[in-house]
Amino acid sequence: EVQMVESGGGLVQPGGSLRLSCAASGFSFSSYWMTWVRQAPGKGLEWVANIKQGGSERYYVDSVKGRFIISRDNAKNSLSLQMNSLRAEDTAVYYCARDGLEGGGRIDYWGQGTLVTVFS
Amino acid sequence: QIALTQSPSASASLGASVKLTCTLSSGHSSFAIVWHQQQPQRGPRYLMQLNSDGTQKMGDGIPDRFSGSSSGAERYLTISGLQSEDEADYYCQTWTTGIRVFGGGTKLTVL
Repeated sequence: EVQMVESGGGLVQPGGSLRLSCAASGFSFSSYWMTWVRQAPGKGLEWVANIKQGGSERYYVDSVKGRFIISRDNAKNSLSLQMNSLRAEDTAVYYCARDGLEGGGRIDYWGQGTLVTVFS
Repeated sequence: QIALTQSPSASASLGASVKLTCTLSSGHSSFAIVWHQQQPQRGPRYLMQLNSDGTQKMGDGIPDRFSGSSSGAERYLTISGLQSEDEADYYCQTWTTGIRVFGGGTKLTVL
């Protein structure tokens, strides 16, 4: 069974940092792109970042460029999101998701999400 | 720049059918999309990939009440025999090199 379990969410003040983790199982992790998607309270889904199978390519939504870093450890089947210089508008549930094979694109499995709240 | 447009809301009666629409931006009518369902207070769930020729790749365990179709830049999700648990938000999603894009979502109410 394909499964992703996120952890690391919590309360943080503006300007602070947080590191999210995602433990993946049930599939060949190193064969897939992986993605972070967030959902602000009462809002829709927003793609945040993704990373290619070997980690050689990483992409970010403009609003987090220079502040967030996506990384992966294929030996541990894990995905991470280092979030720095956090802002109130980063408050959201963050989902880890399996992206596609080869060039990626099709998000086909989701984690249950972890809540990040940025408040002063 | 690629974008997806969805109507904010839709409604239909229990047992009826409903057709939700996702429209690709100009110049992107050949792109495939994915439909995701998000029930209240739950994480999203993959329903299907829908290609421009109408072919679909369904997610695991998705009932055959869910089907997709395509016409030009429009991608449709049809739900037949509506059940109460179909009341949810439905998002379409597409992609290009490195970038993933979501539509704004359609909130479906089952009357």
